[in-house]
Amino acid sequence: KQEVTQIPAALSVPEGENLVLNCSFTDSAIYNLQWFRQDPGKGLTSLLLIQSSQREQTSGRLNASLDKSSGRSTLYIAASQPGDSATYLCAVSNTGNQFYFGTGTSLTVIP
Amino acid sequence: SAVISQKPSRDICQRGTSLTIQCQVDSQVTMMFWYRQQPGQSLTLIATANQGSEATYESGFVIDKFPISRPNLTFSTLTVSNMSPEDSSIYLCSVVPGDTYEQYFGPGTRLTVT
Repeated sequence: KQEVTQIPAALSVPEGENLVLNCSFTDSAIYNLQWFRQDPGKGLTSLLLIQSSQREQTSGRLNASLDKSSGRSTLYIAASQPGDSATYLCAVSNTGNQFYFGTGTSLTVIP
Repeated sequence: SAVISQKPSRDICQRGTSLTIQCQVDSQVTMMFWYRQQPGQSLTLIATANQGSEATYESGFVIDKFPISRPNLTFSTLTVSNMSPEDSSIYLCSVVPGDTYEQYFGPGTRLTVT
């Protein structure tokens, strides 16, 4: 069974800093990997989707990379802002219709 | 993409009662999922609800406790039956509308059982 781990569990940074969130998975035969943001008590907002054939995806200040062979993905956030404070979750799909979620990284950006 | 709404957004319920959560999608989708997120935890899949077939439940979840209906391609309900305080969670529905298999989530239903 696919297992997804996210490190660190929590991260606190000053505003303006660049940061990296990590996601690792045990089975490299994935269909895609998706990064989400979750604000407290709310649903999940899709940030970036990386197909298995892709190496990275970018959206604004966010860049996600994928290394299937090593079972890793990173989410890079440039010039962090207090509004980026949230929990970030990665999810891996092996078949396209079953998804495995990581435990999340709780990010706090200090003004 | 897909826009998903859920009702109710939150509720406080008495032990032993049942609550039905509705999930409405703005487009027709085949695959729909129901998740539970307990306080401070990640998401746990309850069941997959594809239109035209019975819901498929994950290990640890049973139909008697979490009956699901999927009457058409834009709507589903999840009922949490005979509730106990351990059922206090956020319940989320999600859909996968296209062939990229990108998942979209509703805003969630925050359930507190007293």
